[in-house]
Amino acid sequence: NAGVMQNPRHLVRRRGQEARLRCSPMKGHSHVYWYRQLPEEGLKFMVYLQKENIIDESGMPKERFSAEFPKEGPSILRIQQVVRGDSAAYFCASSPLVLREGPIFGPGTRLTVL
Amino acid sequence: KQEVTQIPAALSVPEGENLVLNCSFTDSAIYNLQWFRQDPGKGLTSLLLIQSSQREQTSGRLNASLDKSSGRSTLYIAASQPGDSATYLCANKGGSEKLVFGKGTKLTVNP
Repeated sequence: NAGVMQNPRHLVRRRGQEARLRCSPMKGHSHVYWYRQLPEEGLKFMVYLQKENIIDESGMPKERFSAEFPKEGPSILRIQQVVRGDSAAYFCASSPLVLREGPIFGPGTRLTVL
Repeated sequence: KQEVTQIPAALSVPEGENLVLNCSFTDSAIYNLQWFRQDPGKGLTSLLLIQSSQREQTSGRLNASLDKSSGRSTLYIAASQPGDSATYLCANKGGSEKLVFGKGTKLTVNP
């Protein structure tokens, strides 16, 4: 089992460009979570999805950010018109339908906005 | 709103020392509490998870305790080693599925 996979691991964008971050959950996991870690800060919840459905997006910024988890393929976190303040590590985690234990985290994508 | 605080923010100890990391939370209605390790530039590794009905969990040289009434958890590391150097994060899960994290304690174990 390859675990939770995220790509790219490092992403550099210029201000105004779009960033697309991908997360492939562990085999058998149907739920995906996205967290953001700003420099010197703890991880902050962004969004919780299951296949084709957003369960909780209370941590998502109101503009420029969107997430999806299609029926086929990875979950995508999309950031439009990136700004320098978007520079952070973005972590994805996945879990099975019934969450008795904690979710499993991926290695993260480090986004740098120039 | 749940808030998680970790003290100290940084800790430096000589190799072989026993140490305690602290985590406090404001809402005692938690489902579980989890300790993670994060190495620089890397992801999170789960160390221990304590369900709300449990008081402690142990794995090797690590022991985590949970006191819901006081809103506290501790991570005890015995006989610390340089390889234990990392940032340790605690996170709790309340009624929703999201985890609320502290900012972490950066541990340095000096040879």
